Amino acid sequence: QVQLVQSGTEVKNPGASVKVTCKASGYTFTQYFLHWVRQAPGQRLEWVGWINAGNGNTEYSQRLQGRVTFTRDTSASTAYMELSSLRSEDTAVYYCARVAPTDCSSTHCHSRFDDWGQGTLVTVSS
Amino acid sequence: DIQMTQSPSSLSASVGDRVTITCRASQGIINYLAWFQQKPGKAPKSLIYAASSLQSGVPSKFSGSGSGTYFTLTINSLQPEDFATYYCLQYNTYPWTFGQGTKVEIK
Repeated sequence: QVQLVQSGTEVKNPGASVKVTCKASGYTFTQYFLHWVRQAPGQRLEWVGWINAGNGNTEYSQRLQGRVTFTRDTSASTAYMELSSLRSEDTAVYYCARVAPTDCSSTHCHSRFDDWGQGTLVTVSS
Repeated sequence: DIQMTQSPSSLSASVGDRVTITCRASQGIINYLAWFQQKPGKAPKSLIYAASSLQSGVPSKFSGSGSGTYFTLTINSLQPEDFATYYCLQYNTYPWTFGQGTKVEIK
């Protein structure tokens, strides 16, 4: 069965960086996108961006652009999210999600969120 | 950014009730909309994509409709496991944006 297993809780000082891991199994890693979504305590979900696990293309939320980087290791079926210059407002649970583009038009595809990781709590505090 | 506004923000309902949650977009998103269910301390679960397509494995008591700027999620015959927070997501325009959530509680 499909599994997305994320790395464990992180506690970081302001200004530091964090790298969260999302290890995939049970499907062909390169045939899907991996999206990252975060949720600050008591807040709504926030979309962070995606990486195309096949070709490595990425798209980032402009709100985090310049501080967030997605990478992947196809040999390990693993995706990574690195967030730098951490601030207290980056404290959140970070989720990875396996997403399939489907029902594509000439310009746009629907996105079907098939599976989610268990989430990684990142706490930024001095 | 496209603002997604859900209503109500919370509701109380009884087992067996039918409930409808609405999601309005600040500009047209055609039908590039998804719905998710989230329980406390858990990852979201996908229910609907393309506004009305049921995710595989999701019971047919969940249904979605709408296009443009107005969308609804209907849950028929509420069961104890359906009490959760529900979110809409627009994926027509970057950055993708979620609604603020609708918490469905037991009356």
